[in-house]
This record gives sequence, C-alpha cells and structure tokens, in this order.
Amino acid sequence: DGGITQSPKYLFRKEGQNVTLSCEQNLNHDAMYWYRQDPGQGLRLIYYSQIVNDFQKGDIAEGYSVSREKKESFPLTVTSAQKNPTAFYLCASRMRGGLDEQFFGPGTRLTVL
Amino acid sequence: AQRVTQPEKLLSVFKGAPVELKCNYSYSGSPELFWYVQYSRQRLQLLLRHISRESIKGFTADLNKGETSFHLKKPFAQEEDSAMYYCALRGYGGATNKLIFGTGTLLAVQP
Repeated sequence: DGGITQSPKYLFRKEGQNVTLSCEQNLNHDAMYWYRQDPGQGLRLIYYSQIVNDFQKGDIAEGYSVSREKKESFPLTVTSAQKNPTAFYLCASRMRGGLDEQFFGPGTRLTVL
Repeated sequence: AQRVTQPEKLLSVFKGAPVELKCNYSYSGSPELFWYVQYSRQRLQLLLRHISRESIKGFTADLNKGETSFHLKKPFAQEEDSAMYYCALRGYGGATNKLIFGTGTLLAVQP
C-alpha cells in the first residue's frame, strides 16, 4: 500500500517528555507538511519542507521541531515546550510543480497525560 | 491577510435535500481554492479544486470573486455524503505555496 504512513496511530506521553511522530511517504513527493487538527479550529500548519535539508515554520511552530534528512521522511518532535500538545496530527505531501493536491496520512492522535 | 471562513460548524439536512456548504475567503490576489473531505475513519482527501471546474460525487463549487466565495453545492444529499468538509486556499507569491484551511463544516445527512 503506497502513499503516506504515520506512526504510531495513538501515542501517549507524560507531561514534560519529548515525543517524535513519524511520517514517511513513497510518492517521491518533494514537499511535506505537518498540521495540527483540533475540534473547531480546522487544520493549522506547524512546519513544512519543500526540499530535503530545508524546512520552514508554519503558523504554530512554537514547541515543535522537525528534520528533513531524507526525501521520504519528515519526523515531527513535540517538545515539552508545547503548552497544549494533545491533538490529532496530520502529515501531508505534495509534488512540487504539479497540481497542488496535498495527500494526507492517516494521522496520529497524541494524548498528554 | 489570507483567511478562509466556514461559518457553519454543523449542517444537518435530510436525504434528498439540497446542500450548500459555505466558504468565504480573504486574499488580495488570485487564489486557488479547494474543497477537502474527511469521511469517518478515512483520510482527509481532495474533493475538488476550482480550476478544474469539475463535479465530483455530484458536488460542484463555483468561485465567485465578487463575493469572495467558493460555496460547495449538491442538489440532492445522500447519507454517504456525511463527513467533515474543509475549504482551503492556496495563495500565490513567495515560495511557500502552502494551503490555508477553514475550520471545517460537519455535514450530517439524515435518512
């Protein structure tokens, strides 16, 4: 099954701990994105990367960090500095230069205990 | 500022009734607009984009630049249309080409 995978599906974290969410794609897409989805707030962009070894902050980057060492991988670390980390996290990817459809992963639900 | 507004959090209709999901945008240039849909237990996926001027699953959306709107319409709702719908905008300029999403409307089609 090709496309975008996110793991784990559910993640529990103790307050004060960092946690890393995985996002992998085999679509050969250049651009990758991380969104946070909260009820009543839609999708908000955390970080995005248009090419390997480059990434930019989105609208709500505080308390998060990312890396893009490989084209197919864009992990997101939720740090202890993120004040309200409990949320549903979505990863997406897009082919640069093509139609602007973003393909989404199944998501990871993070719960901070 | 670039913004997408979906005024309705929930829209409940009966099967066979017409549906209109509202979307208004704020953007100074020529935006590209999309509707994404998320069915229960499925991934968020693209429903349609305004440049294609297509009808998908009976849904259509027309970009009205005068009213800055991109409402999603379907003449006869089906139960399988029940889902969360997001309107999104892509602005040109800069290197981001990022999407800006609205807050979403949950469509519930009653039997």
